[in-house]
Amino acid sequence: EPEVTQTPSHQVTQMGQEVILRCVPISNHLYFYWYRQILGQKVEFLVSFYNNEISEKSEIFDDQFSVERPDGSNFTLKIRSTKLEDSAMYFCASSEWVRRGGYTFGSGTRLTVV
Amino acid sequence: GQQVMQIPQYQHVQEGEDFTTYCNSSTTLSNIQWYKQRPGGHPVFLIQLVKSGEVKKQKRLTFQFGEAKKNSSLHITATQTTDVGTYFCAGQPIAGGTSYGKLTFGQGTILTVHP
Repeated sequence: EPEVTQTPSHQVTQMGQEVILRCVPISNHLYFYWYRQILGQKVEFLVSFYNNEISEKSEIFDDQFSVERPDGSNFTLKIRSTKLEDSAMYFCASSEWVRRGGYTFGSGTRLTVV
Repeated sequence: GQQVMQIPQYQHVQEGEDFTTYCNSSTTLSNIQWYKQRPGGHPVFLIQLVKSGEVKKQKRLTFQFGEAKKNSSLHITATQTTDVGTYFCAGQPIAGGTSYGKLTFGQGTILTVHP
């Protein structure tokens, strides 16, 4: 079964530092997403990406966040200057269509900001 | 913006008992999806419901989509210890408007099953 791969599985960073979370979506999927989940809480939408540009973003996704598809396989989330409240599990997901079928989520990157 | 509410937050059952979680959206949906997240894991897609009044079954799991396409439920018959996890509903808005189709998750129902 195809998988969405995320690296690293755990990242510890100091407040104010930049982090890049990496994802390899499923190869024939066209739509890519980042979600985050603060411990014990619901899964929150951050951003969706299609055709090499952001299609939608949430209020959480401010100027500190950016996404990129630097090559044909990777999809990255950058947080420029991390804050304590950015500590969460970050999930990458991909889907073949926008409204048909579900999303395939990666196993996540646990980001801890100290 | 669109909100998706899910109840109950927690459900503890004895193995063999039934379990139901309910989901309600503040707006009419294009479709609703259900995901399961095992402890320490990631959301795994279970099913998508698209049509008004739709009912789908997967073995012991029954999913319903309301007539108004604003609510949904997941019912598990005769729970097993393997059913343990958090069940999330996630709604997608109707095409058009300002939303491209982001999936909004409910808060989830944490199911524990006592053997």
